[in-house]
Amino acid sequence: GAVVSQHPSWVICKSGTSVKIECRSLDFQATTMFWYRQFPKQSLMLMATSNEGSKATYEQGVEKDKFLINHASLTLSTLTVTSAHPEDSSFYICSARPTSSYEQFFGPGTRLTVL
Amino acid sequence: GESVGLHLPTLSVQEGDNSIINCAYSNSASDYFIWYKQESGKGPQFIIDIRSNMDKRQGQRVTVLLNKTVKHLSLQIAATQPGDSAVYFCAERGTGGFKTIFGAGTRLFVKA
Repeated sequence: GAVVSQHPSWVICKSGTSVKIECRSLDFQATTMFWYRQFPKQSLMLMATSNEGSKATYEQGVEKDKFLINHASLTLSTLTVTSAHPEDSSFYICSARPTSSYEQFFGPGTRLTVL
Repeated sequence: GESVGLHLPTLSVQEGDNSIINCAYSNSASDYFIWYKQESGKGPQFIIDIRSNMDKRQGQRVTVLLNKTVKHLSLQIAATQPGDSAVYFCAERGTGGFKTIFGAGTRLFVKA
């Protein structure tokens, strides 16, 4: 149990386009989901906390207008990278916290490459 | 601000030996600590956790030690195997919060 999926697993896009990444909790409901970004040979950096039915909370230095987060249901959160540029190329990872639980479960990540 | 860091960026051990990965944290308000394993191209995988009211916790082949006095965390892997080769992250959560903050990571190489 407690499986989190991400789609797509990898994506290549042209500079200036927008890319949407989905994060789904497959067998549990998640009130809260988290989005991380990981550059090569670096740690995971928390970008934002996504709460179902409310606006996401962004970490300092993360542009909310560039990284749009929508958490419309208890099993789905989406991250849209708007007007992507090569410097946005990274590994994006989500995690989900089951309702009434302290645990978090991580997705397999999405590799974004912007040409 | 909050930060969790590691002393060693890489660690190379012989298969069968024990591994010790260290981590220092700076937020004294943190009350929950987790070790994750990340293989190339994959998401983090939970290994073991410990709450701040404990100083030691054991799992299968892994032990986590917490020293709150010096804000130090360590992961011990017994009888290290080639499958243990990965990057290991320590992470922390603050009191009452759910945000998980990751440390810098240590790459573990296991030599056959």
